[in-house]
Amino acid sequence: NAGVTQTPKFQVLKTGQSMTLQCAQDMNHEYMSWYRQDPGMGLRLIHYSVGAGITDQGEVPNGYNVSRSTTEDFPLRLLSAAPSQTSVYFCASKLGQAGYSPLHFGNGTRLTVT
Amino acid sequence: KQEVTQIPAALSVPEGENLVLNCSFTDSAIYNLQWFRQDPGKGLTSLLLIQSSQREQTSGRLNASLDKSSGRSTLYIAASQPGDSATYLCAVATGTASKLTFGTGTRLQVTL
Repeated sequence: NAGVTQTPKFQVLKTGQSMTLQCAQDMNHEYMSWYRQDPGMGLRLIHYSVGAGITDQGEVPNGYNVSRSTTEDFPLRLLSAAPSQTSVYFCASKLGQAGYSPLHFGNGTRLTVT
Repeated sequence: KQEVTQIPAALSVPEGENLVLNCSFTDSAIYNLQWFRQDPGKGLTSLLLIQSSQREQTSGRLNASLDKSSGRSTLYIAASQPGDSATYLCAVATGTASKLTFGTGTRLQVTL
């Protein structure tokens, strides 16, 4: 049981380049989300999805796009990377929206934009 | 807007000591509160989840309490071990179970 898998682990981009961070889970979780972690700021929610075909914005959505075509996958797209998007990105999933369901995290993607 | 604060930012204790980590939040209308552990270069691992109707949860040497009226939670670690060294984060779900607000964490070091 792999849990939540994120690829790549590390990525360096130049300003203006685009890329997709991949996230897949094999736990049949309905809920998936993306967070970014920056020093001194804690984790902040970028986008989330409560099921296939449904996405919504979190606290810091600007500059990021998501889609959810399957239950298993929730990719995060950077259309035109900026240095302010240098961060560690975490994908997380949980079983439905119930308040008793804990969040499961991937190991993160460390992104540097030069 | 919910704000979550964790004090202290860092803590060093000798092995075997019992310790308490603190988490405070500004909006008491929460769905749940979760405590996570993060090892360097890794993702977060869920330790305990307390629903809004509960006062505490226990798992092994860990005990988390929740006082919604005062906006506080504590994570108690009994008989600390060097393997407990990590960053501990708390997060609250407010208004909906779908959005978590995280604190910045307490970095714990347990020394031999």
